[in-house]
Formats: sequence, structure tokens, C-alpha cells
Amino acid sequence: RKEVEQDPGPFNVPEGATVAFNCTYSNSASQSFFWYRQDCRKEPKLLMSVYSSGNEDGRFTAQLNRASQYISLLIRDSKLSDSATYLCVVTFYGGSQGNLIFGKGTKLSVKP
Amino acid sequence: DGGITQSPKYLFRKEGQNVTLSCEQNLNHDAMYWYRQDPGQGLRLIYYSQIVNDFQKGDIAEGYSVSREKKESFPLTVTSAQKNPTAFYLCASSIFGPATTGYNEQYFGPGTRLTVT
Repeated sequence: RKEVEQDPGPFNVPEGATVAFNCTYSNSASQSFFWYRQDCRKEPKLLMSVYSSGNEDGRFTAQLNRASQYISLLIRDSKLSDSATYLCVVTFYGGSQGNLIFGKGTKLSVKP
Repeated sequence: DGGITQSPKYLFRKEGQNVTLSCEQNLNHDAMYWYRQDPGQGLRLIYYSQIVNDFQKGDIAEGYSVSREKKESFPLTVTSAQKNPTAFYLCASSIFGPATTGYNEQYFGPGTRLTVT
């Protein structure tokens, strides 16, 4: 069952670079969308929710394309501290699938 | 400080023993969840609870059991029936359960690494 797919990476970029991740989802009834960040051997932490109109939080921009069923995350001016795995998360409502479905994550490594 | 706590951080058990992982939240969230994460894999849902005294199986509930006697607490028992119990276990909570539409972010505890030998 491939409901949420991400490029596993790793994406190796220099400091200051702009990097973009995409994530596709298979269920057109998907309702809510999120990006989480997970550092090595730590718990996932909510980075941002993704709204239909797109949203921005500092250097991070998230966009949703319902017609093509994908969401994206753009990171501008990458910092060393951005190195982590970024998880795409989608919610389908109803039953056990009403919970968040996690992608396997895209690993980002920002180099000096 | 509001948050989710899990204990212990690391747990070692012998094969054939049941073990209970603790999860407590003081966020006043209705819903709580248990996930399992294996190396290189995404999170997989074990059980969730939308309200006290109610819980539902997730995708991989076999070999696990839970209880929800208090709003703040959602312990997970890994039984000897679980074939591959060694994993990173994550507890999460959200304001509402999955039956509620709308954005309903989940917040995670720090996790428990269980090793069974």
C-alpha cells in the first residue's frame, strides 16, 4: 500500500542553498497535510501544516496541489541546523485510516 | 510545562517477556496514539484512542495491547506474541480524534527504544 511517497534522498546541499522536497499521495479524499522534521534518533516534530493556499514560515514555504495530489516544501538559505529527515504526512478521515499516514521521509544534509 | 512524556527512554527485555511502555500527556488532548518506527521505515500506527475507555486497532496491532483508563495516560504493552518487538516506539496526542475533520496536528513524546534479545 503506497499512500504517501517521498524521495528518500539524501539531498546533500551547501549552506545557503535552496532545496525543495515533493511528496505525492494516492488518496484523493485526503484532508489535512503536514510536514514534520525528525532528527536522528529523536521524535518527529511538527514543522508546518500545509494549507490549500500555501503558507510560509520564515525560510520555509509549503504548497499543496490537490489536482496533482502532491505537497512540497521549499527551504531557502539552508542552515547546517536544517540537516534532518523531513516527513510528509497526510490525513485520511474515517476508521483506522483517519489517522496520519507518514511518508518514509527525505533526508537532508546541509554541508559547510 | 505542557507536553508528552514517555518512559523509559531505553528498555531491554528477554524474549518471551511482556513489557509495558508508559505514555503521559498534560496537554488535555482527547486523542492518543502509539506508533512504531523501524530503521529506514515510516511510522506505523499500532493503536489509537479517541476518548477514555475507548481504543481502536491501527495497522499493526497484533501482539500489542493498550488501555485508556485516564485521559492523561495511554500505556502500551508489548506481549510475547509480538514477533519482532525490537523498535523505536513513539506516543503522540492530538486535541481531537481522527473522526473530527479539520487540521488536527499530532505531537509526539521523545520515544522509547525497546530491545528484545
